[in-house]
Amino acid sequence: QVQLVQSGAEVKKPGASVKVSCKASGYTFTTFYFHWVRQAPGQGLEYMGIINPSFGSTTYTQKFQVRVTMTRDTSTTTVYMELSSLTSEDTAVYYCVRGGSVVGTRRNDPFDIWGQGTVVTVSS
Amino acid sequence: DIQMTQSPSSVSASVGDRVTITCRASQGISSWLAWYQQKPGKAPKLLIYAASTLQSGVPSRFSGSGSGTEFTLIISSLQPEDLATYYCQQLNSFPFTFGGGTKVEIK
Repeated sequence: QVQLVQSGAEVKKPGASVKVSCKASGYTFTTFYFHWVRQAPGQGLEYMGIINPSFGSTTYTQKFQVRVTMTRDTSTTTVYMELSSLTSEDTAVYYCVRGGSVVGTRRNDPFDIWGQGTVVTVSS
Repeated sequence: DIQMTQSPSSVSASVGDRVTITCRASQGISSWLAWYQQKPGKAPKLLIYAASTLQSGVPSRFSGSGSGTEFTLIISSLQPEDLATYYCQQLNSFPFTFGGGTKVEIK
C-alpha cells in the first residue's frame, strides 16, 4: 500500500540543524509532489514548502526560506527536510505529505497521504 | 499569503447532533479548499477536497460546501469517533495555508 515512513524522534540543541527523512513506497516516487508541514505542541498546522521529486526543484514558504533545505534521493525513494539554526520555537512534529501529480503540474491537489510525523525537540 | 479563519475554535455536541464548521479565506480561492481531520496523537487525514468532494472511504455524514471566500464543513450526525480537530486548507496559491483548527468534543 502507499505509505510514507519518517525517521525517528530527534533532540537538538539551539543553533544546531536537524535532517528528517521520509521514505515513500507503494507507488512511483517521482510522480507526486511532496510537502512538509509542521505542528508545534498544542498548535495548528504550519505549511513549510514543496519539492518536485522528479527534478528536485523546491519552493519554500518565506518564513523558512533561509533555514530550510528539501532534497530527494530517487535511488532510495526518500525525501529529506533539513532545518538549520534551530531555536526552541522549532520544537514540533514535522510531517511529510504526498501532494498532487507531477504530471500536469498538479501542485494544487490536496494532501492525500501523510507520514506518521517526526518529533523534533530543541532544548539546551 | 492567504489567511484562513475557522470558526468556532471549539464545539461540544451530543452524539447524533449536526455540527457546522465555517472557514473563511482572506481572498477568493474558487473551490481550492480541502478539509482534514486530525485525531489526538495522529497525523491529519484528508476528508474533503475541491470544497465538496468526499475523499474515498470517508463516511457520507461528512459534507462540504462553498466557494470564493466562505466554506462550510458539516457533520450531519455526530459519532463518537468524530472526536478530533478539523482543519481547512486553501490550495489556490502558494503557500498552501491552513486554518487554525476547530476542536470537536462529544458531550
